[in-house]
Amino acid sequence: KNQVEQSPQSLIILEGKNCTLQCNYTVSPFSNLRWYKQDTGRGPVSLTIMTFSENTKSNGRYTATLDADTKQSSLHITASQLSDSASYICVVTDRGSTLGRLYFGRGTQLTVWP
Amino acid sequence: EADIYQTPRYLVIGTGKKITLECSQTMGHDKMYWYQQDPGMELHLIHYSYGVNSTEKGDLSSESTVSRIRTEHFPLTLESARPSHTSQYLCASSATWGSQPQHFGDGTRLSIL
Repeated sequence: KNQVEQSPQSLIILEGKNCTLQCNYTVSPFSNLRWYKQDTGRGPVSLTIMTFSENTKSNGRYTATLDADTKQSSLHITASQLSDSASYICVVTDRGSTLGRLYFGRGTQLTVWP
Repeated sequence: EADIYQTPRYLVIGTGKKITLECSQTMGHDKMYWYQQDPGMELHLIHYSYGVNSTEKGDLSSESTVSRIRTEHFPLTLESARPSHTSQYLCASSATWGSQPQHFGDGTRLSIL
């Protein structure tokens, strides 16, 4: 069964600290993995996308890594800011169908305290 | 910022009413999607469209229906709302399947009393 599991479910950190969010998936065959940020009351916004051949991708203070062998990804946030408080969602696309089906994790709820 | 708009943002309405949730995008994207999201849970695809006059049901069974008469417009309709329909509904669009990002609207939070 194709699944996407994220951990931790929630995380509280102090402003200025770094953190790492995890995503494990069983989706096969794999096409790409994307991290989205969803602010409360808003729609998700894409942060990074990685294909099978990429193992790291940065977007400002966000750095995503991918290990396609172990089917794991992480999102590292550097020097956190209050505006980083949001839900971070891992989404994996399969290439086993013309639909290119997306599998969503439940997200990690990050809270940054001053 | 992606140009995809959903209205209304919030809707509280009684059981049995007919509801239409609006979604419009100005990017000319062929692919459009409706997702349902409950608090703390993953997004579930309930409808999608390849283009004009194309609509398909998604992974999660839904009593709602959709239409795609124009490229930019993808409304979702509930003929008779029930409390079980209470949820957040997110609309998205993309240029292609899979590899291109889906651009999401800010959602409609629907509460059926």
